[in-house]
Amino acid sequence: GEEVAQTPKHLVRGEGQKAKLYCAPIKGHSYVFWYQQVLKNEFKFLISFQNENVFDETGMPKERFSAKCLPNSPCSLEIQATKLEDSAVYFCASSPGLGGSPLHFGNGTRLTVT
Amino acid sequence: RKEVEQDPGPFNVPEGATVAFNCTYSNSASQSFFWYRQDCRKEPKLLMSVYSSGNEDGRFTAQLNRASQYISLLIRDSKLSDSATYLCVVNKEDTGRRALTFGSGTRLQVQP
Repeated sequence: GEEVAQTPKHLVRGEGQKAKLYCAPIKGHSYVFWYQQVLKNEFKFLISFQNENVFDETGMPKERFSAKCLPNSPCSLEIQATKLEDSAVYFCASSPGLGGSPLHFGNGTRLTVT
Repeated sequence: RKEVEQDPGPFNVPEGATVAFNCTYSNSASQSFFWYRQDCRKEPKLLMSVYSSGNEDGRFTAQLNRASQYISLLIRDSKLSDSATYLCVVNKEDTGRRALTFGSGTRLQVQP
């Protein structure tokens, strides 16, 4: 598609429950990025993919967060045993390449952990 | 010290005013620079890339000073619709990784 599509738009989970977020990048874009925006404007990089391969996972909390980008499927970000501090908007972005290519963002998924 | 620093604002300006935002970055290996705009609770949208020679897009002008590690955004003839948060974004590619770092954003409120 022509837009990065993220689902669901909103997700509410009780503490300890699992949360799974999905992202379909723009067709033809090889790179997918996940960011977490906790406070109003603080973006935290989580992980990036080059096609189905993890490109950079230095931002991922190792214990509870995992992500995949499988062929012919939306990319996913999964949080096991959610905590209150996981409440945030999770943005997915894609780009056709590296270098000066800007990122195109999806609308985000607002996760609320209660 | 944050990798990318911006004045959080808010900048409250009347319609028609000229306003400038500044951004400094700490990593001299940074290679690409962008200004994004984020409306409340929405996704960031690319406003413009920033080139070494400076670039202009309508009412918006971006400047880069590599020596001082400083980026600016100038908005002329402000419109109500310019009200948003402006994010300075810096990209450093190192050993094949891509590290896109966001500033905290500068909030602009244009008033009638």
